[in-house]
Amino acid sequence: QSALTQPASVSGSPGQSITISCTGTSSDVGGYEYVSWYQQHPGKAPKLMIYDVTNRPSGVSNRFSGSKSGNTASLTISGLQAEDEADYYCSSYTSTSPYVFGTGTKVTVL
Amino acid sequence: QVQLVESGGGLVKPGGSLRVSCAASGFTFSDYYMSWIRQAPGKGLEYISYISSSGSTIYYADSVKGRFTISRDNAKNSLYLQMNSLRAEDTAVYYCARDQLPRGGDVWGQGTTVTVSS
Repeated sequence: QSALTQPASVSGSPGQSITISCTGTSSDVGGYEYVSWYQQHPGKAPKLMIYDVTNRPSGVSNRFSGSKSGNTASLTISGLQAEDEADYYCSSYTSTSPYVFGTGTKVTVL
Repeated sequence: QVQLVESGGGLVKPGGSLRVSCAASGFTFSDYYMSWIRQAPGKGLEYISYISSSGSTIYYADSVKGRFTISRDNAKNSLYLQMNSLRAEDTAVYYCARDQLPRGGDVWGQGTTVTVSS
């Protein structure tokens, strides 16, 4: 099972919006409504930010939103803040593995 | 609050063995699937194993199949990963996670570091 494809890095200025893409296949992202997004600060454990493509766990800021079109899922961070600087990983249920993670995206707040 | 705490990591020689543990609290451990995910230094996340709530269903990634064994003790609210025939490429931070199959892990521990080196 190949990793889902994410851009290596995305940057934005405080207050701006950025979008991170996560591209898979019809066997994972495109085939199920089970895409999750995780935020990981350096030296820390991943934190669930989005599940089931669009849902936010309790306590996660509404500045984070998720969507999906075909085989590509997206995470949008609006009103970018310094604390959003972190690595972000997508994950999808698959027909085989049962999960596959994305390659990871480093978000930099300029 | 819901919490997972890993322990047992350390330095081990190639070919050696190690068992890492994960202590759960704040939720009914026996109701949930549990998983192990690892992250090699400077690399991304790799899903390696899960175990069903009763322990009857187990999955292993090809990279660890035949060498690693996942288990759980619901009476002790604990999850384990027995790692045998360790290789340099097994060097990683090992995270346990509460697994909401098919949604993935919703609560993660802080991780325990395993280093395989001579």
